[in-house]
Amino acid sequence: GAGVSQSPSNKVTEKGKDVELRCDPISGHTALYWYRQSLGQGLEFLIYFQGNSAPDKSGLPSDRFSAERTGGSVSTLTIQRTQQEDSAVYLCASSLAWRQTDTQYFGPGTRLTVL
Amino acid sequence: GNSVTQMEGPVTLSEEAFLTINCTYTATGYPSLFWYVQYPGEGLQLLLKATKADDKGSNKGFEATYRKETTSFHLEKGSVQVSDSAVYFCALSLDTGRRALTFGSGTRLQVQP
Repeated sequence: GAGVSQSPSNKVTEKGKDVELRCDPISGHTALYWYRQSLGQGLEFLIYFQGNSAPDKSGLPSDRFSAERTGGSVSTLTIQRTQQEDSAVYLCASSLAWRQTDTQYFGPGTRLTVL
Repeated sequence: GNSVTQMEGPVTLSEEAFLTINCTYTATGYPSLFWYVQYPGEGLQLLLKATKADDKGSNKGFEATYRKETTSFHLEKGSVQVSDSAVYFCALSLDTGRRALTFGSGTRLQVQP
């Protein structure tokens, strides 16, 4: 079946602009995660959604970052007033549910470059 | 807090050499352990996992054994190929606390023909 998809694959923006990144999880997966991969920081957790429960936003680096998940499926990560330090690859993952044994399946990522 | 420590790379090997990438973890509890691989230009994909002590995960000739006594999950392969060149990430997850993977910093493997 189809894997996790993300769009766009690449995004170049100017400092101060807002960007939206989209994630389509695997059908039937109730858990969805956003991570950020950057040279200096490695792979960092950003936010976690599980079904209709309140998301865990504890990894978001600032209040410029927000995310939503509509209808328990597609998710959008929004970065307002982008800064150069936001440049990174943003990865989305999904799993059947949250159990520590569950495998998380990753999308190809969105490479964000802030000029 | 929870953390994963991996050996620094890059690791450079000749084809058919034996590979070990060390991974140790710190966790409050008994985590599940994973190795993910990222091939050039591609996304992260699961290589193998182990969910309890003494379990051995294996896939594509790679193996790793969950050692609770040494809090380790070292990745091994008996004979590497050029196509194994990639970045390898060790990770853990726990039912308690944050519901997300905690990753190591990644180890780049370069296999030369």
